[in-house]
Parts: sequence; C-alpha cells; structure tokens
Amino acid sequence: GAVVSQHPSRVICKSGTSVKIECRSLDFQATTMFWYRQFPKKSLMLMATSNEGSKATYEQGVEKDKFLINHASLTLSTLTVTSAHPEDSSFYICSARGLGGGDAPQHFGDGTRLSIL
Amino acid sequence: GENVEQHPSTLSVQEGDSAVIKCTYSDSASNYFPWYKQELGKRPQLIIDIRSNVGEKKDQRIAVTLNKTAKHFSLHITETQPEDSAVYFCAARNSYSGAGSYQLTFGKGTKLSVIP
Repeated sequence: GAVVSQHPSRVICKSGTSVKIECRSLDFQATTMFWYRQFPKKSLMLMATSNEGSKATYEQGVEKDKFLINHASLTLSTLTVTSAHPEDSSFYICSARGLGGGDAPQHFGDGTRLSIL
Repeated sequence: GENVEQHPSTLSVQEGDSAVIKCTYSDSASNYFPWYKQELGKRPQLIIDIRSNVGEKKDQRIAVTLNKTAKHFSLHITETQPEDSAVYFCAARNSYSGAGSYQLTFGKGTKLSVIP
C-alpha cells in the first residue's frame, strides 16, 4: 500500500520551456502533498506544501511564480516549472501524506530528473 | 524552525558488522522521527519510524532509539548486507498546527557502504 506515482521520471528540454510534473497517490487519499528538490549528493529541500483545494505554501526563497503548484484533488498534485533555465536542473520529488493528518506517514514518488539544456 | 544534524556523512562497514547513524534535532515540539533509505536515483523509502512516546523500536535487523531529553535519535542496522548500501536520511516532524505544520525536516544524509 501507500504508493505515490510521479511522472515523468526524466525530462530533457530546452531553456525557456515550461515543464509539468504530476504526483498521484494511487491507493490512498492525500490531503497534503509536498514538493522537494534534491541536488546531487545532498539532502531533500522542501520547496512547498500543498493542501487539496487551497493555495500552496512556499518555503522561503522559492519563487511561487516560477514553480506553480496545483492540488486539485485528493490524489493529484502538479508542479509546473515555468520558463525553465539550466539552473532549474535538478531532481524533483513529491511526497504525499494520507488522511491521518499530521500523524500519517509520508510516502515519496520516484522523482523527476529535470535537465534543462 | 527545526534543525536536524546527522552524523556521520559517510560510513563504511564490513558485511555482517553493525552500522549506527545518529541524528539530533532542535525543536522540542517534534514528535515523529522517520528514517528513509535512498538508493541512487530512486525515491526515499521509509524503513522505520518512531514517535516521541516510545524510546525504542525494532524491525528485524533495523532498530531506532530516541532520547527526548537529549533530543537525539539513532538508527542501528545489525548484520549488514551489501544491499543495505544506500544513503540514509533521518527526519523530524513537528506537531503544531498552522503554517509549516507537520513538516519533515531532513538531515543531510549518511552514505552507507557495506563491503562484502
């Protein structure tokens, strides 16, 4: 149980392109989803927290107009990297927390490796 | 906010030996401490977790201990195997509501290498 699907797994695109990443909870409902960014050999850095039906809460230093997050349903959140540039290249991972609220475990998607040329 | 320190950053052990990874946290409001294993290019996988009302938890070869007073918790892997090689992250989650609630703060990770 507790499967989180993230798609696509790998994206290579030109500078200036916008890229959408999907995160789905397959066998549970996720009221809260988190988006992380991970640089090589580094820890996971929280970018934003999204709650179903409301606006995402962004961490300090994360541009909300650059990283658009939508959490339209209890099983789907999307992250759109707008007008991506080479410095946006990274490993992006989503995670989802179930209906148990703060007491529920957090499960991760497989991640999306984004490479901007 | 919460600050999680993790040591060591790298750890090499011989197959069959034990491995111990230690973490400290700063926010006394944190009450949930999961450990994740991440293989190269893959998702972090939850391997064990502990809540603040428990001092120790064990699952086969993996155990976690928590000292609330000292604000530190540790991961213990016994009888290590080559497939245990990965990066391990500890994390702490707070218990208060409002903005930033129930967020996980991760340590910087420990790269464990089990030598056959």
